[in-house]
Amino acid sequence: QSVLTQPPSVSAAPGQKVTISCSGSSSNIGNNYVSWYQQLPGTAPKLLIYENNKRPSGIPDRFSGSKSGTSATLGITGLQTGDEADYYCGTWDSSLSANVVFGGGTKLTVL
Amino acid sequence: QVTLRESGPALVKPTQTLTLTCTFSGFSLSTSGMCVSWVRQPPGKALEWLALIDWDDDKYYSTSLKTRLTISKDTSKNQVVLTMTNMDPVDTATYYCARIRYYYDSSGYSRTFDYWGQGTLVTVSS
Repeated sequence: QSVLTQPPSVSAAPGQKVTISCSGSSSNIGNNYVSWYQQLPGTAPKLLIYENNKRPSGIPDRFSGSKSGTSATLGITGLQTGDEADYYCGTWDSSLSANVVFGGGTKLTVL
Repeated sequence: QVTLRESGPALVKPTQTLTLTCTFSGFSLSTSGMCVSWVRQPPGKALEWLALIDWDDDKYYSTSLKTRLTISKDTSKNQVVLTMTNMDPVDTATYYCARIRYYYDSSGYSRTFDYWGQGTLVTVSS
């Protein structure tokens, strides 16, 4: 059971838009920055979004991030078949445990 | 250019201790804000954070695994070592090391995993 809750799967057609949610609590998302990672099949995760809504160089602006309260959202527009991957949110948990926490991952299918 | 590479045994027996080494280049772990972390992923399952070590040698461990984990660094060799004791078949996973950029302001902490190694599959079996 992951500390951050993500939907197990989402799907949409090529060219469409999809959003992936990540729900947490005040000890993690509510008071810390969120990052998002893309994991293509058989590869290591790759940073997509950091500090809630910033994109590293090389990440297209089709990918966006936002945060409100204890939830965060990843948005992908203009879906491409190459976007089919698992997506994970992550953040710091400032409770007594002081851990990095990840969501359970969301499988994106581009129909 | 930042790179990280994991090395260690591909197969360990139950009850043995696993030792993994992360060898990195392109940054220094003595630079403020730099950290290295270990994350694992059982086949077909989600990412699970294990441990991290900061530039100032602060260490953090997964609450559920902290009694079994030890992380250390050798700044001169650009290496971070993770040991995990009492290995069990459920510990079979791909183990990744990653660089973390640490940042803090009034909006909270940011620990961004900005570069990842390719991962190494560790199988626990007798």
